[in-house]
Amino acid sequence: DQQVKQNSPSLSVQEGRISILNCDYTNSMFDYFLWYKKYPAEGPTFLISISSIKDKNEDGRFTVFLNKSAKHLSLHIVPSQPGDSAVYFCAAIYYNTDKLIFGTGTRLQVFP
Amino acid sequence: KAGVTQTPRYLIKTRGQQVTLSCSPISGHRSVSWYQQTPGQGLQFLFEYFSETQRNKGNFPGRFSGRQFSNSRSEMNVSTLELGDSALYLCASSLDTSGRQETQYFGPGTRLLVL
Repeated sequence: DQQVKQNSPSLSVQEGRISILNCDYTNSMFDYFLWYKKYPAEGPTFLISISSIKDKNEDGRFTVFLNKSAKHLSLHIVPSQPGDSAVYFCAAIYYNTDKLIFGTGTRLQVFP
Repeated sequence: KAGVTQTPRYLIKTRGQQVTLSCSPISGHRSVSWYQQTPGQGLQFLFEYFSETQRNKGNFPGRFSGRQFSNSRSEMNVSTLELGDSALYLCASSLDTSGRQETQYFGPGTRLLVL
């Protein structure tokens, strides 16, 4: 049972435009959410996170939005750059634990 | 500061064998977590060690085990290997001063192929 879902396995965006990566979760006991980026042959790299008490967190070109009622979060990348091409994982942490539950990932390709 | 290192980087084993993977966390990091990455399942949490004790565990069979040493280095062992164990095994470390793993630093992974 996949508790964190990324329904789009891939996304293709033109350089300079906005990339929107989506993530849905099923467990209301998740209280912290993170996004990781992964290049081939490398481990995931932490990008940005958001606590369940917030609905938005921004860091440079990256913004994460959380809609608790819909159990949905999204990562916006503006403007998209070719170097952003990678696999993006969303992850969630259960309340009062340290256990990360990852989504299956979305492969983002940014073309010139 | 050196990053998380994992050895070996690549490994080929046959069904029924056992394997031990090693992870050296970033200096000063006390929490080490292990993950399995497969194309179909994405990244799945195996277990987490903190101060030589297993603190959290995922939903994997008992064939998967681990340990952590006093210098925070960690090993993961898989016994009686199955074809489905072929995956990329990632190790991540964190300072864990707050008790939440907000910022984990991942190693490059060990790619295991079971034939």
